[in-house]
Amino acid sequence: SQELEQSPQSLIVQEGKNLTINCTSSKTLYGLYWYKQKYGEGLIFLMMLQKGGEEKSHEKITAKLDEKKQQSSLHITASQPSHAGIYLCGAVGGEYSKIIFGSGTRLSIRP
Amino acid sequence: EAGVTQFPSHSVIEKGQTVTLRCDPISGHDNLYWYRRVMGKEIKFLLHFVKESKQDESGMPNNRFLAERTGGTYSTLKVQPAELEDSGVYFCASRSTKGVSEQYFGPGTRLTVT
Repeated sequence: SQELEQSPQSLIVQEGKNLTINCTSSKTLYGLYWYKQKYGEGLIFLMMLQKGGEEKSHEKITAKLDEKKQQSSLHITASQPSHAGIYLCGAVGGEYSKIIFGSGTRLSIRP
Repeated sequence: EAGVTQFPSHSVIEKGQTVTLRCDPISGHDNLYWYRRVMGKEIKFLLHFVKESKQDESGMPNNRFLAERTGGTYSTLKVQPAELEDSGVYFCASRSTKGVSEQYFGPGTRLTVT
């Protein structure tokens, strides 16, 4: 069965600094989601990547999928307090299939 | 457009009791998913509805869990009888059938079994 490993598990970053979160899959990905969760809230969709080498950006967040479609990274530029939360990567094996989630990365921003 | 809603937001019950969780997906979304996160572990898939039919229920832990989606609209997830290990946060998500699209998640129901 497919497994996703996220690193680091937790991260404390000074406000204004850049950071990167990684997600590695045990199998080739059909699609890779990035979600963010704040305490007591649902998962907020950030981006979905499907093609090898694909890169997407939204505001100060950039996500990339490697050519082999087994690794993805999420990069935040000039971090802000609003970026704090739990970041989750999720793999899908097909167009409408379930999401297999990584364990998450807890991000804290230090003022 | 209203998002995915779940009710209740919190539920505290005693072991052996029954609890029913409800999920209202985004209007028009045929696909509805249930997931849960138990303490300290990853969010795990439970099951997937396409309209009123169960497409994939491979994640349902045992027969104490019963999910329904009458009429292909809202869905309920009943736990009967509840056990201590059922405690966690239960998420519902929905997605459109058209094309490749993200799953929209609800805020979750936090279930505590004492």
